Amino acid sequence: EPEVTQTPSHQVTQMGQEVILRCVPISNHLYFYWYRQILGQKVEFLVSFYNNEISEKSEIFDDQFSVERPDGSNFTLKIRSTKLEDSAMYFCASSLQGINTEAFFGQGTRLTVV
Amino acid sequence: AQSVTQLGSHVSVSEGALVLLRCNYSSSVPPYLFWYVQYPNQGLQLLLKYTTGATLVKGINGFEAEFKKSETSFHLTKPSAHMSDAAEYFCAVSQAGGTSYGKLTFGQGTILTVHP
Repeated sequence: EPEVTQTPSHQVTQMGQEVILRCVPISNHLYFYWYRQILGQKVEFLVSFYNNEISEKSEIFDDQFSVERPDGSNFTLKIRSTKLEDSAMYFCASSLQGINTEAFFGQGTRLTVV
Repeated sequence: AQSVTQLGSHVSVSEGALVLLRCNYSSSVPPYLFWYVQYPNQGLQLLLKYTTGATLVKGINGFEAEFKKSETSFHLTKPSAHMSDAAEYFCAVSQAGGTSYGKLTFGQGTILTVHP
């Protein structure tokens, strides 16, 4: 069964460092998303990506964040200068058609900023 | 704007008992509604979804949910709990149409514990 894969499963980084979280969406999907879940809080939408550009982003997704689909298979989330409050579980998701189709989620990357 | 409220951050039931996880939503446009489940150390897995048509939807593992527009609810039920149902359950809403690209708004999650 096709699945969304995320690497690494856990990343520890020092405050101020750049991190790149990687995701391989399901191959025929067209819509890609990043969500995050701070410990004890809701899963929050960060950004959606379609047709090689950001289609929607939340207020959380400020200039410190960027997304890219560099090679047609990977989908990455970059945080330029990490803060302690960026510590969270980050989920990548993809869907075939966006609106009324299921979003498939990866297992998540736990980011710890120290 | 959309929002989701899940009543009860923790629900505990005995094996074989009815499972009822509550979800209420707020949406200014017709919603699509979802229940996801997260087992320990795993990603979010879709249990079921409501988009259009029949308001009672059946999902995997014997779960079902009923969309009640008048009550703005989408409660998740299972007649008989199994130990393997222990997990965290998330209700989510997305916007049907318009400029939405499938963005999901999640509730805070309900941890289901099943006792022998």
